[in-house]
Amino acid sequence: DQQVKQNSPSLSVQEGRISILNCDYTNSMFDYFLWYKKYPAEGPTFLISISSIKDKNEDGRFTVFLNKSAKHLSLHIVPSQPGDSAVYFCASPFGNEKLTFGTGTRLTIIP
Amino acid sequence: NAGVTQTPKFQVLKTGQSMTLQCAQDMNHEYMSWYRQDPGMGLRLIHYSVGAGITDQGEVPNGYNVSRSTTEDFPLRLLSAAPSQTSVYFCASSYLTGATGELFFGEGSRLTVL
Repeated sequence: DQQVKQNSPSLSVQEGRISILNCDYTNSMFDYFLWYKKYPAEGPTFLISISSIKDKNEDGRFTVFLNKSAKHLSLHIVPSQPGDSAVYFCASPFGNEKLTFGTGTRLTIIP
Repeated sequence: NAGVTQTPKFQVLKTGQSMTLQCAQDMNHEYMSWYRQDPGMGLRLIHYSVGAGITDQGEVPNGYNVSRSTTEDFPLRLLSAAPSQTSVYFCASSYLTGATGELFFGEGSRLTVL
């Protein structure tokens, strides 16, 4: 049973516009969330994280928003660049020692 | 500056064969883990280890075996390969105990079981 869900398998965005990637979770005990980015033929790399004590965390062009009441988080990329084309995974710790991932969203930035 | 190194990068097996995917990290991380990535399924945790001599099961451990005799190495063994184990396998390590620390991933090992 997927505890972290990404319901959009793919997303296309014009270069320079905002990309918004969404993630929902079912376990209200989750209190820390991470986003990973994956290029083809490479391993995922950590992008940004947020703790449940915050509702927003920003790092350059990347901002993650957390809505605890809706059990929803989103990753905003602005402005979107061609190098942002990748698969993005959201993830959350399940217990202290396991990280559970969503199914991923493939983002394509159109020049 | 190697990070997490996985070998082999590609492997083709016949059903019933066994093999070992190697994983080594040079960052002195205590936590190591194995994931598999399948289309539409995301990344699923197979096994993990919080230190030498300690391993535990993840979400999809059946058909796989692990051991952790050193901090650096965490091999994944397929005991009797099945077509359902065709996947891309990723090894990852972290300086914290797994879940809240940033995971550093290897480049992946693509396995095909015929």
